Amino acid sequence: GDSVTQMEGPVTLSEEAFLTINCTYTATGYPSLFWYVQYPGEGLQLLLKATKADDKGSNKGFEATYRKETTSFHLEKGSVQVSDSAVYFCALSILTGGGNKLTFGTGTQLKVEL
Amino acid sequence: DSGVTQTPKHLITATGQRVTLRCSPRSGDLSVYWYQQSLDQGLQFLIQYYNGEERAKGNILERFSAQQFPDLHSELNLSSLELGDSALYFCASSATGGGYEQYFGPGTRLTVT
Repeated sequence: GDSVTQMEGPVTLSEEAFLTINCTYTATGYPSLFWYVQYPGEGLQLLLKATKADDKGSNKGFEATYRKETTSFHLEKGSVQVSDSAVYFCALSILTGGGNKLTFGTGTQLKVEL
Repeated sequence: DSGVTQTPKHLITATGQRVTLRCSPRSGDLSVYWYQQSLDQGLQFLIQYYNGEERAKGNILERFSAQQFPDLHSELNLSSLELGDSALYFCASSATGGGYEQYFGPGTRLTVT
């Protein structure tokens, strides 16, 4: 079945460091790809998305490029802030018979320190 | 604020009991999804409704059921509760039945004692 694999956390960085969170996927069809973020005690917020190969999703300084050849959708940010501390989830969605459930990775916790 | 509302925020109940979780989608969204988040299973899709009809089903237990009403709000019913049902339950909504991003509510934290 479809699956998403994320790098294990927690990832601990100093403020202004470069961030990469790796995400690879396995899918039988042609998925749309997403990054969601979950701040402590809150629900999931859509961070960015990409719907076809070579698309780049971006938001709030975060970027991810849909790489079909490597089945990857790595999340990057050039300079992290303490306020970016959260859990980041990579997810995919494939349209099947009208439904489009999200399949999530296990999440990667990011801690940014001063 | 995503525009998706869920009630209650917290729920504590005993094993064997039945509870109902409620979700109101964003204005105009026709699809509602339910997900369970637990430490051991992560985030798992339970079920999707589109305009009142069941559209997709995930690993939802037979003790669980859901429905979407004519005003598009949805309820998730959990019965014969077990300790392992303790989790965060999220509702999400999207504009159509497929191909659009999903917006999540704040979740209902269920604790079964």
